[in-house]
Amino acid sequence: ILNVEQSPQSLHVQEGDSTNFTCSFPSSNFYALHWYRWETAKSPEALFVMTLNGDEKKKGRISATLNTKEGYSYLYIKGSQPEDSATYLCAFFIGLVRFGAGTRLTVKP
Amino acid sequence: ETGVTQTPRHLVMGMTNKKSLKCEQHLGHNAMYWYKQSAKKPLELMFVYSLEERVENNSVPSRFSPECPNSSHLFLHLHTLQPEDSALYLCASSQWTGGGYEQYFGPGTRLTVT
Repeated sequence: ILNVEQSPQSLHVQEGDSTNFTCSFPSSNFYALHWYRWETAKSPEALFVMTLNGDEKKKGRISATLNTKEGYSYLYIKGSQPEDSATYLCAFFIGLVRFGAGTRLTVKP
Repeated sequence: ETGVTQTPRHLVMGMTNKKSLKCEQHLGHNAMYWYKQSAKKPLELMFVYSLEERVENNSVPSRFSPECPNSSHLFLHLHTLQPEDSALYLCASSQWTGGGYEQYFGPGTRLTVT
């Protein structure tokens, strides 16, 4: 069974806090990992496509790292803002794609 | 329009009805996908099409029937659905299949089966 686990399930932080969450996946036969942001009443939006062990990607205040040997990826948000409130999904590709259940982030002003 | 569009946005149907969901992408992509999100479950891949040929069928019941007449359009034909099929159905597209390309999602169709 191909399990993709995300933790925590939900997170509440204050504006200005930095935060991070985890996506864990099987460490064998890695092909790619994606991160998506899904705001309420909108469509999921791609943040990062990661394909190489040790990849580090950054987009503004958001960054992600990838460790394929140990089977995890971290997503970091620096100085969280209320507009960062969303569900963050990771998707693991090995032939089929398997999405995690997501981490729901709420940033309080 | 730009991006990925889906119609209808909301659909209520009885178990004996036949209906279709439509997806259109304006991005020039070659791959299109149907996903299902049930309450409190992760996004689940249903079908993948690449250059109008189905390349994945993720053990989906035959009451769901996809159709991809060209690389810009994707349909999901529904018949004799069950109440447990009530969910959000998302369409997505990418340049090619495989994980090397980000996926662009439509707004989804919220389906309720009564």
